[in-house]
Amino acid sequence: NAGVTQTPKFRILKIGQSMTLQCAQDMNHNYMYWYRQDPGMGLKLIYYSVGAGITDKGEVPNGYNVSRSTTEDFPLRLELAAPSQTSVYFCASSYATGRQPQHFGDGTRLSIL
Amino acid sequence: AQKVTQAQTEISVVEKEDVTLDCVYETRDTTYYLFWYKQPPSGELVFLIRRNSFDEQNEISGRYSWNFQKSTSSFNFTITASQVVDSAVYFCALSEDNSNSGYALNFGKGTSLLVTP
Repeated sequence: NAGVTQTPKFRILKIGQSMTLQCAQDMNHNYMYWYRQDPGMGLKLIYYSVGAGITDKGEVPNGYNVSRSTTEDFPLRLELAAPSQTSVYFCASSYATGRQPQHFGDGTRLSIL
Repeated sequence: AQKVTQAQTEISVVEKEDVTLDCVYETRDTTYYLFWYKQPPSGELVFLIRRNSFDEQNEISGRYSWNFQKSTSSFNFTITASQVVDSAVYFCALSEDNSNSGYALNFGKGTSLLVTP
């Protein structure tokens, strides 16, 4: 049972570099989400998707982009890494209803130096 | 505006003590869902419980219990006879049926629980 798989688990980037955080789920969930977790701040929504080809901004989208070409995959792109993007990133997925819990990946710890 | 407030930033207890983690939420929706997640030191998020707005029954699962009160907009979590393995950050979260963000979770800032031997 893979659930939600995030890669990589850790990464250090230099300011201005780009990278893609990968997220894949094997539960056939329509809804997928990216959150970031900063110390003492809980998790904040970056982007979400309600199905293949449909994405929308969350609370803190600046500096990020997403795409959803398949039901399974929801990559998060950082184009020009900035120190403010140092965080732990979580991908999650769920069925198309608020009553079901979201399933989270193990997170990607990203440091921008 | 903060939709979920966890006023307790850190709590420290001695093993076998009971501890209650507070959660207060704010919503205009009549249909909504409340969740508790546990984040152990290893960092993953573990789902503990879901409660919908129409079900105010309290729930008990082993040493864990939850008290949902719509009158005070609270969804508190009690650990009875705490153990060292309960040390973690606990998040309360809200999902709204009329959300404009695809049922995304609104998280509180979390309560860090430390249980010492």
